[in-house]
Amino acid sequence: AQSVTQLGSHVSVSEGALVLLRCNYSSSVPPYLFWYVQYPNQGLQLLLKYTSAATLVKGINGFEAEFKKSETSFHLTKPSAHMSDAAEYFCAVSEKGRRALTFGSGTRLQVQP
Amino acid sequence: EAGVTQFPSHSVIEKGQTVTLRCDPISGHDNLYWYRRVMGKEIKFLLHFVKESKQDESGMPNNRFLAERTGGTYSTLKVQPAELEDSGVYFCASSQLAGVGETQYFGPGTRLLVL
Repeated sequence: AQSVTQLGSHVSVSEGALVLLRCNYSSSVPPYLFWYVQYPNQGLQLLLKYTSAATLVKGINGFEAEFKKSETSFHLTKPSAHMSDAAEYFCAVSEKGRRALTFGSGTRLQVQP
Repeated sequence: EAGVTQFPSHSVIEKGQTVTLRCDPISGHDNLYWYRRVMGKEIKFLLHFVKESKQDESGMPNNRFLAERTGGTYSTLKVQPAELEDSGVYFCASSQLAGVGETQYFGPGTRLLVL
């Protein structure tokens, strides 16, 4: 069965600093990969997704992620953090042929002024 | 266009009681999913409807959980009788019947607390 590991349940950065949220998946076959964000009292919102096209995926709000097959990773980055980026971020995968998403445990991002 | 809506937003019940959660997907979305996040754990898949048919029930924890989607529109998830370990946030998501790597649109969730 697929599994997703997000290193660091809490990450704190200063405003303007680089944001790096880590995600590793377990699969011998590259799955479809997603990053979702959840702001307080809201549902999960898709940030970006990888579906076998370009390995560097650009998403909304200045986020991007790079699919690295050799490292089975799909880390999320943003060059400069804003206060509004404070939220919980979830990495998810879906195996080809299956629609259900398998989620990581989430990383809560805190942005310090 | 309205997003996925869920009702109620919060529910507090006692062990042994019954609770019914409702999800209204985005209009025209044939796929409807239920997920659950138990406190401190990851979000886990429960089941998937295509229109009114259950496509994948592999994540349903036990027979105390019953999901329906009559008419292929809104869905309900009933927990009967509720146990303490059922506490958590229940998310609903929907998507169009599209190709691979479809985007699932999530609702805000229902926070269930079983005392």
